[in-house]
Amino acid sequence: NAGVTQTPKFRILKIGQSMTLQCAQDMNHNYMYWYRQDPGMGLKLIYYSVGAGITDKGEVPNGYNVSRSTTEDFPLRLELAAPSQTSVYFCAVSLLSYNEQFFGPGTRLTVL
Amino acid sequence: AQTVTQSQPEMSVQEAETVTLSCTYDTSESDYYLFWYKQPPSRQMILVIRQEAYKQQNATENRFSVNFQKAAKSFSLKISDSQLGDAAMYFCAWWTDKLIFGTGTRLQVFP
Repeated sequence: NAGVTQTPKFRILKIGQSMTLQCAQDMNHNYMYWYRQDPGMGLKLIYYSVGAGITDKGEVPNGYNVSRSTTEDFPLRLELAAPSQTSVYFCAVSLLSYNEQFFGPGTRLTVL
Repeated sequence: AQTVTQSQPEMSVQEAETVTLSCTYDTSESDYYLFWYKQPPSRQMILVIRQEAYKQQNATENRFSVNFQKAAKSFSLKISDSQLGDAAMYFCAWWTDKLIFGTGTRLQVFP
């Protein structure tokens, strides 16, 4: 079992470009999350989903969009990349909201 | 605002010794969960230990244990018999309806 996978591992974007960060899981967990980790900081929640078709905003949702059409996938969309979105992005899953969250390996995004 | 504070940006310990990492949180909730996550240089986030607020007994996982003081809103992590592989960033996190992370403590382990 792969657990939680994220693609790509690294990406450099120019200001104003768009991209989608992919997250997939084979753990059949209901809850999925997107976090960003800025240098020297903890993780901050961007968006989360409690199941297919249901998403909600976290602490820092501005500049991002998500969708969840299946249990397995939870893509994160950046529409107009800005330097402030340079960060490491983590996807995570949990069976129930208060259970342990299992994290993907992260995507390092640089916006120049 | 609900916050998690880790007041030690860096800590160091000698191999085989014991080290304690501090964490405090601010909440008016009575029902919540607390976690310690480890992030080695590989960047992978790994759960170290979890504590339910309604449990008075401190959680333990092998060499890792917590000192949970609910009234003081304190949740420290003790690592016994430290090993070189324990070197990492350690994040304290608090959950009520979302997971809130502290800023982390970088632990160095010296041989």
